[in-house]
Amino acid sequence: GENVEQHPSTLSVQEGDSAVIKCTYSDSASNYFPWYKQELGKRPQLIIDIRSNVGEKKDQRIAVTLNKTAKHFSLHITETQPEDSAVYFCAAQIGTYKYIFGTGTRLKVLA
Amino acid sequence: EAGVAQSPRYKIIEKRQSVAFWCNPISGHATLYWYQQILGQGPKLLIQFQNNGVVDDSQLPKDRFSAERLKGVDSTLKIQPAKLEDSAVYLCASRDQAGGKLFFGSGTQLSVL
Repeated sequence: GENVEQHPSTLSVQEGDSAVIKCTYSDSASNYFPWYKQELGKRPQLIIDIRSNVGEKKDQRIAVTLNKTAKHFSLHITETQPEDSAVYFCAAQIGTYKYIFGTGTRLKVLA
Repeated sequence: EAGVAQSPRYKIIEKRQSVAFWCNPISGHATLYWYQQILGQGPKLLIQFQNNGVVDDSQLPKDRFSAERLKGVDSTLKIQPAKLEDSAVYLCASRDQAGGKLFFGSGTQLSVL
């Protein structure tokens, strides 16, 4: 069925280090993959997205990579800062603009 | 640009009571979604509207949940009767037609006692 797996569920890194979060999707027809950041008690906010015709996209300290053959996509955060601490969700678009979300990764950046 | 508006922000009810949530999407967004987010989990799609028509409600527990978007703009989600396991944040989102980006409201945090 329609599924997005996300790993790890929690991730702790030292300030300044890099963080990588990985997702796997099941529907090979998926063509759009957004990433959301959710701080405690707040709404999910889109931070970066990638379409299936692109292998990598970068925006300052964050980047997303996509491997369509393996149905994997990953979020990379470099030079992490305490304000990067949040829960991150990946998602995959399937069918008629339907978005399936991963289970989330709680990122803690230790000062 | 105004964001997705939701109300109420918080709601506490007893089990078997009914509750309704309201959402006003970003102007011009034809696609509207209701998601349920249980603590520690990712958003789970309950229902998707395209204008005033339902596109997907396969995950909506139709024996107790209902939703409508009569004029293709704002939407209401109702639970009747509520169960303890309905305690969650109910997020409304709308989709930007041009770029395909999804924008979320602040959510309604429901506690069923």
